[in-house]
Amino acid sequence: DQQVKQNSPSLSVQEGRISILNCDYTNSMFDYFLWYKKYPAEGPTFLISISSIKDKNEDGRFTVFLNKSAKHLSLHIVPSQPGDSAVYFCAASPKTGANNLFFGTGTRLTVIP
Amino acid sequence: DAGVTQSPTHLIKTRGQQVTLRCSPKSGHDTVSWYQQALGQGPQFIFQYYEEEERQRGNFPDRFSGHQFPNYSSELNVNALLLGDSALYLCASSLGLSSYNSPLHFGNGTRLTVT
Repeated sequence: DQQVKQNSPSLSVQEGRISILNCDYTNSMFDYFLWYKKYPAEGPTFLISISSIKDKNEDGRFTVFLNKSAKHLSLHIVPSQPGDSAVYFCAASPKTGANNLFFGTGTRLTVIP
Repeated sequence: DAGVTQSPTHLIKTRGQQVTLRCSPKSGHDTVSWYQQALGQGPQFIFQYYEEEERQRGNFPDRFSGHQFPNYSSELNVNALLLGDSALYLCASSLGLSSYNSPLHFGNGTRLTVT
């Protein structure tokens, strides 16, 4: 039972444009959400997070939006750069705040120079 | 400042054998979590160790066991290997039990192939 879903396996964007990666979840007990980026042959790297008490969190070129009623979050990257090309994983944490994250299947982002 | 290190990087085992994977956490971290990432999937939580005890466990059989040592390093053991255990095994460390204050830092993983 996939509780965190990333329905787009891949996304291609021109350099300088906006990249929007989407994520849906089914478990209403999730209250903390994270995005991780993964390059080939490396482990996932933490990118940005958001608590359920917020609807937006921004860090430089990266912004995460949370819509709790729709159980949907998105990651916006503006402007996109070729170095952003990687697999992006959405993850969710249950209310206990423990480290047992539930990950989506990932979206491969390709930024075209 | 060394990050999370895992060994070995690659491993090939035969069905029915046993395997031990090792992990050293990032300096300053005291909690270790293990994840399994099958091909084309996201990482799936196996278990978490803190103060040398298993604190949480995901939906994995008892064939998967672990240990944490006083220096915070950890081992993942898998007995009676099945073909379906072939995956990338990721170790992640953090400070404390909550992801709120200390996002997980992942190692590069151990690629296990069971033939």
